[in-house]
Amino acid sequence: TQLLEQSPQFLSIQEGENLTVYCNSSSVFSSLQWYRQEPGEGPVLLVTVVTGGEVKKLKRLTFQFGDARKDSSLHITAAQPGDTGLYLCAGASDYKLSFGAGTTVTVRA
Amino acid sequence: NAGVTQTPKFQVLKTGQSMTLQCAQDMNHNSMYWYRQDPGMGLRLIYYSASEGTTDKGEVPNGYNVSRLNKREFSLRLESAAPSQTSVYFCASTATPEAFFGQGTRLTVV
Repeated sequence: TQLLEQSPQFLSIQEGENLTVYCNSSSVFSSLQWYRQEPGEGPVLLVTVVTGGEVKKLKRLTFQFGDARKDSSLHITAAQPGDTGLYLCAGASDYKLSFGAGTTVTVRA
Repeated sequence: NAGVTQTPKFQVLKTGQSMTLQCAQDMNHNSMYWYRQDPGMGLRLIYYSASEGTTDKGEVPNGYNVSRLNKREFSLRLESAAPSQTSVYFCASTATPEAFFGQGTRLTVV
């Protein structure tokens, strides 16, 4: 059983559409990160959120950390084919960094 | 600019063989991790080392051992490989809380 549950598992959308990926847990984390992974590569950090209720924007990406620091969402506006990849959320507690199963996003041109 | 370096990149083992996966980081990070990645399972933590001289079990430690050789190096050993250990293995180091990953080792056990 994964400590962090991500939904949906797969998402396929047309270029220009918006999408949201969710990350939920019953555990409280000191911080939560979002990573993107491309085939044959290791995950690369997109953002870290630390404060409950925090919202961070990175160009067309908006990240939100739940008030109780148990859940998070990633919203992409006007998705582009370059946004295609595996999106992973990760929760930090003490020195452990636990990952969700990931959401595979495909953006069709 | 090496970051986190893993060796080897690919390996095929026969059931029962042993091998060690090597990982080194040049970012002076205290914490290092070993994960395995299987389809639909995301990254599962095998072992981690919060600092030099300490190691702790993660979610899936059975069949593996680790050594934190010094601050830079953290190795993962399979004493008797099994087909269930076929996976992609990632090493990471953290500047808490952000993790930096190596490029992975694709291991196949036949």
